[in-house]
Amino acid sequence: DAGITQSPRHKVTETGTPVTLRCHQTENHRYMYWYRQDPGHGLRLIHYSYGVKDTDKGEVSDGYSVSRSKTEDFLLTLESATSSQTSVYFCAISVREQETQYFGPGTRLLVL
Amino acid sequence: GQQLNQSPQSMFIQEGEDVSMNCTSSSIFNTWLWYKQEPGEGPVLLIALYKAGELTSNGRLTAQFGITRKDSFLNISASIPSDVGIYFCAGQPRGGSNYKLTFGKGTLLTVNP
Repeated sequence: DAGITQSPRHKVTETGTPVTLRCHQTENHRYMYWYRQDPGHGLRLIHYSYGVKDTDKGEVSDGYSVSRSKTEDFLLTLESATSSQTSVYFCAISVREQETQYFGPGTRLLVL
Repeated sequence: GQQLNQSPQSMFIQEGEDVSMNCTSSSIFNTWLWYKQEPGEGPVLLIALYKAGELTSNGRLTAQFGITRKDSFLNISASIPSDVGIYFCAGQPRGGSNYKLTFGKGTLLTVNP
């Protein structure tokens, strides 16, 4: 199994509050990704990182920001949570851009 | 954006039966990946395919990269109850951003013991 952990695994929060999700890897892989998974939409890319302090937007980046100050950690922040951001969030890693992506166990977020 | 059509959406089979599912696209893909996701867990990679025509096995699972580069299939032989889950195809489109994977919407497999 790829050494990926996500925290917290479950979170309930209120609309308007900031939320930060953490992805931690022990593989020293360069590339890290944040996805959300919703019924009827499948997995959609939120943000992507190709190195420390190097990030790029995915297809559903509005309302989200990311930071990567260390190779092993990739943080996803919901600046002001909305109910539409209720979802399951997955982190993924890969060695190179065109390499297979390996997924973490997910964080289930409920925004009330 | 790129679209992957995965079929069937769901399957309900008896233990011991073989299963086949596929993904198709109108665009050419450089890579095809097959993942399995169980409830409450993240997708787990089953098979990765990198060349047109490639046929790869992983135990009872076999997947092929279509010769046109626009499709892929996954077969599971002699299904068992622990095969239950959602199976996703994913691909890396040719000419797209290198980091971006396109995902199918999944096939929900139920195996009746």
